[in-house]
Amino acid sequence: DAKTTQPTSMDCAEGRAANLPCNHSTISGNEYVYWYRQIHSQGPQYIIHGLKNNETNEMASLIITEDRKSSTLILPHATLRDTAVYYCIVRVEDTGRRALTFGSGTRLQVQP
Amino acid sequence: SAVISQKPSRDICQRGTSLTIQCQVDSQVTMMFWYRQQPGQSLTLIATANQGSEATYESGFVIDKFPISRPNLTFSTLTVSNMSPEDSSIYLCSVRPGLSYEQYFGPGTRLTVT
Repeated sequence: DAKTTQPTSMDCAEGRAANLPCNHSTISGNEYVYWYRQIHSQGPQYIIHGLKNNETNEMASLIITEDRKSSTLILPHATLRDTAVYYCIVRVEDTGRRALTFGSGTRLQVQP
Repeated sequence: SAVISQKPSRDICQRGTSLTIQCQVDSQVTMMFWYRQQPGQSLTLIATANQGSEATYESGFVIDKFPISRPNLTFSTLTVSNMSPEDSSIYLCSVRPGLSYEQYFGPGTRLTVT
């Protein structure tokens, strides 16, 4: 799995967009970008994933640069409940035979 | 999707004792994963448990310390043996059903060793 680099922490004002960056300069052509988050005292939760096109779901948007060396997770209107550690993970899609490997993630603090 | 429950949710144990953590999934899954999350740290994979075979352990984790059972496709246990304060962590069970791209996690078991 390609190595990822994320800022240690970020702050965001409630109601504003939270933009969480992730660098993955060694990503291979068949590796996907996944985002998970872990709210305090809970297990991690899947947010979104993508290969090369931008993706959007009810939780967030994922913007992947054209060279795929970096990506940004966007929470369009952050709420206090979005305070969590966000993990960017790059891996090959392997139909569930391998566990996710977690880096240190970005601790997002949404301020009132 | 998959809903995972773990028992106990938390426990305080004395050093030298053992604790068995149970993980129950609401659907049949081939692979189950056990993670450890030490205080203030990220998740570290302990082992992968495949039904009907011995668990595969990651570097730094051994079967004598963390024996795992996987008696069927919906259940697994992780035992933390001969505990020391360094074993104080959250232990999480996780699955990735079938061809799903999503990995699901249990709520975790918070273990404190005194």
